[in-house]
Amino acid sequence: AQKVTQAQTEISVVEKEDVTLDCVYETRDTTYYLFWYKQPPSGELVFLIRRNSFDEQNEISGRYSWNFQKSTSSFNFTITASQVVDSAVYFCALTGGSESGYSTLTFGKGTMLLVSP
Amino acid sequence: AAGVIQSPRHLIKEKRETATLKCYPIPRHDTVYWYQQGPGQDPQFLISFYEKMQSDKGSIPDRFSAQQFSDYHSELNMSSLELGDSALYFCASSPEATDTQYFGPGTRLTVL
Repeated sequence: AQKVTQAQTEISVVEKEDVTLDCVYETRDTTYYLFWYKQPPSGELVFLIRRNSFDEQNEISGRYSWNFQKSTSSFNFTITASQVVDSAVYFCALTGGSESGYSTLTFGKGTMLLVSP
Repeated sequence: AAGVIQSPRHLIKEKRETATLKCYPIPRHDTVYWYQQGPGQDPQFLISFYEKMQSDKGSIPDRFSAQQFSDYHSELNMSSLELGDSALYFCASSPEATDTQYFGPGTRLTVL
């Protein structure tokens, strides 16, 4: 069965600090997709990034960057120069291939990030 | 850009009542998913549909049923509501089953 572990339940930082959210996953599928979603206090789930298992290239989008390491089954998310608006719960998620169901999103428990001014 | 639409946004019901949640996917998305998120929990997959056929089934109670209609909108029907059904219910849609799932704003169901 698939599993996503976000060991950090809550992180508090001060504005302008860099912060890294950890994500470790387990799957038996050889083809899978990894995601990060943001859930602000308003409640909606906002898509941030999708990465397939064959693409280990790191990605940067503005202040956000993602580090995918297949060797350690990790897909970590870094926010550079954090802002108050980054305060939210961040979920790492995984979909699988034929063994786990192509469309099933398995979420981690989430990491609550609190950025204070 | 058009997003997933869910209605109603808030719903209050009594125990043992029924509820119907509606979802309108992003245009040209033919795959719809339903998730349930309890307070302080991560979203849990309930069920999905592709081209109006059920494609995957998760931890959906027997008291719940869902379907996707010819215009691709989907409805989640919940009967004999229990206090534990109080949660945020998300609908998501994607152009293909392996593609990114885009979530609607959610329906917050409160069962009293």
